[in-house]
Amino acid sequence: EIVLTQSPGTLSLSPGERATLSCRASQSVSDIYLAWYQQKPGQAPRLLIYAASRRATGIPDRFSGSGSGTDFTLTISRLEPEDFAMFYCQQYFRSPITFGQGTRLEIK
Amino acid sequence: EVQLLESGGGLVQPGGSLRLSCAASGFIFNDYAMGWVRQAPGKGLQWVSVISATGGDRWHTESVKGRFTISRDNSKNTLYLQVDSLRFEDTAVYYCARGGSFSNPPSYAFDYWGQGTLVTVSS
Repeated sequence: EIVLTQSPGTLSLSPGERATLSCRASQSVSDIYLAWYQQKPGQAPRLLIYAASRRATGIPDRFSGSGSGTDFTLTISRLEPEDFAMFYCQQYFRSPITFGQGTRLEIK
Repeated sequence: EVQLLESGGGLVQPGGSLRLSCAASGFIFNDYAMGWVRQAPGKGLQWVSVISATGGDRWHTESVKGRFTISRDNSKNTLYLQVDSLRFEDTAVYYCARGGSFSNPPSYAFDYWGQGTLVTVSS
């Protein structure tokens, strides 16, 4: 199975700052089979990005995704208070579907 | 508005069974693949099962093969997960999720999620 490794484990930043989250795959997932989710405590995950760089419906443009092959990045350009949460990447290139272990984005 | 509402979770002893349900609304149910993803307490996300839009194709993660069965009733806009031979490690919140139309079988990303139903396996 394809293993996804996210870094850092925890990211401490202040509102207004830029956040950069990384996801590395153990083998190529092509250019388009990578998604990002946000999950707040007690809530279901929410799809942010699919196809590595396409924003899902209703997602603000401060969220952007990039990358290809094995290295992907989620960037939040200017953090809003509501952005602090857990973030997961997911590959859907090959079964089994796998998720990264998550990055916790916390308020500094 | 897309809505997914899970039910059927609860406390069950090891070796027991449950049937989880997910009632869907706000979209044409039989146009979309559907799946289940679980999250153990304090842990990350784990894909469990996916079923095609027609119900003709199903896929399960290795650890639940032979114990869990995904199904759907398109006439009732409802997704199911029959969970049998439950183990302690199956304790988790089980989320129902819609397969994004931008993804292909058997591997999907999920564009809408329910709020989840908790399954607790304990003696």
